[in-house]
Order: sequence, then structure tokens, then C-alpha cells
Amino acid sequence: KAGVTQTPRYLIKTRGQQVTLSCSPISGHRSVSWYQQTPGQGLQFLFEYFSETQRNKGNFPGRFSGRQFSNSRSEMNVSTLELGDSALYLCASRTGGVNYGYTFGSGTRLTVV
Amino acid sequence: QQQVKQSPQSLIVQKGGISIINCAYENTAFDYFPWYQQFPGKGPALLIAIRPDVSEKKEGRFTISFNKSAKQFSLHIMDSQPGDSATYFCAASNSGGSNYKLTFGKGTLLTVNP
Repeated sequence: KAGVTQTPRYLIKTRGQQVTLSCSPISGHRSVSWYQQTPGQGLQFLFEYFSETQRNKGNFPGRFSGRQFSNSRSEMNVSTLELGDSALYLCASRTGGVNYGYTFGSGTRLTVV
Repeated sequence: QQQVKQSPQSLIVQKGGISIINCAYENTAFDYFPWYQQFPGKGPALLIAIRPDVSEKKEGRFTISFNKSAKQFSLHIMDSQPGDSATYFCAASNSGGSNYKLTFGKGTLLTVNP
């Protein structure tokens, strides 16, 4: 059974640019969550999608957005990149029925220069 | 507001020793407490999880102890091995709630010396 797949694995962007990250969940999982991981703040929740609907959003500025497609694949977008957006962005999927059973991908390492 | 506090930040243990990592939570609605293990370059992987209806859960060398009244839980790694060297995160969630997220501790970097 394939795990959670995140692409690309690494990205280098310039301040002010925008970036789109992709996540393919485990087959059959309808919920996709995104987390930002930094050395200082640890793992922080960005948002969660289920059946193409955002059900919860973390305390991040509006520059951070996401969406989910009908096949449960998800993308997150960060516009007007800032140096502080440099982080490991992790996607997690689960079946969606209850709030446990998360499986994480290996993440996308974003570096903003 | 940090809802899950984890300690210590880092831990060095000799091979064969016991590693102990502690977490405390504030939200009494939390009813699912997983521990994740993360190796460099990888995402967190679920190690073991507990619900507050039991005080202890053991899986191999890994044990979670849970104290509901104190709102604390801990991970014990028995007979620690160099391959256990990783970052460990505790987390908590309201499994039936509508916030649909895990709240993580800040992590503990465990180093097991051979």
C-alpha cells in the first residue's frame, strides 16, 4: 500500500514569489491535513480538508491557502513568500471518520532566499 | 498558547538504558495521545498511542504511561538502542471533536550512544 506522497521534496524560492506544494494521500483516505515544521515552532497545523471542503484552519496568514480535489489529492499554496516561510511542510492523511490515525508524508523542504 | 508541553528538549542515553520523555496537556477535551518518531529527512511516523481509559500501554520496548488527573503522559523506551536515535513528538487530539487536528509538543531529540 503506497504511503502519503509529497512533491516536490525540495524547493528553493525567492522572496516575493509564490509556491504550490502537492500531496497525494493513501488510497481510500479522504482527509488531508497540512503542517508546517520549523526548529523554533515545531509542528504547527495549517489546515485540514475532507471531501474538498476545508474543515479547520490554523493561525496562519491568508498567504497560506489550500484545496482538495475530488480524488482527495491536495495542494497548498503560499503567496508572496517571506524568509520566515522556510520550513518543512508536511502532509498527513487519514480516513476522515475520526480525528486519529494520521499518516504523514516525508514532506517538502521549502527554502526561501 | 502551547497546549502540549514536552520535556526534555534533548536527551542522551547509553545503549541499553531507559529513555523517558514527558508531556503535559491543558485541554481536558483531548482523548487521544499519540507519540511520533521522526528521523532526519522523513516525516513523523506513529509509534504508539493511548486513550485515557487506560493508564499504560506497551508495544515491544515502547510504553506509554498516562495520568489523567495530572494531565500528563510519558513515553518510556526500554533497552534503548542507537537505532532509536531520533526526534520524538507527543501529540494530542479530541478524537471525536470537530477541530480535526493534532496538537504537538515541541519535540525531544534522543541520542543513544553505543
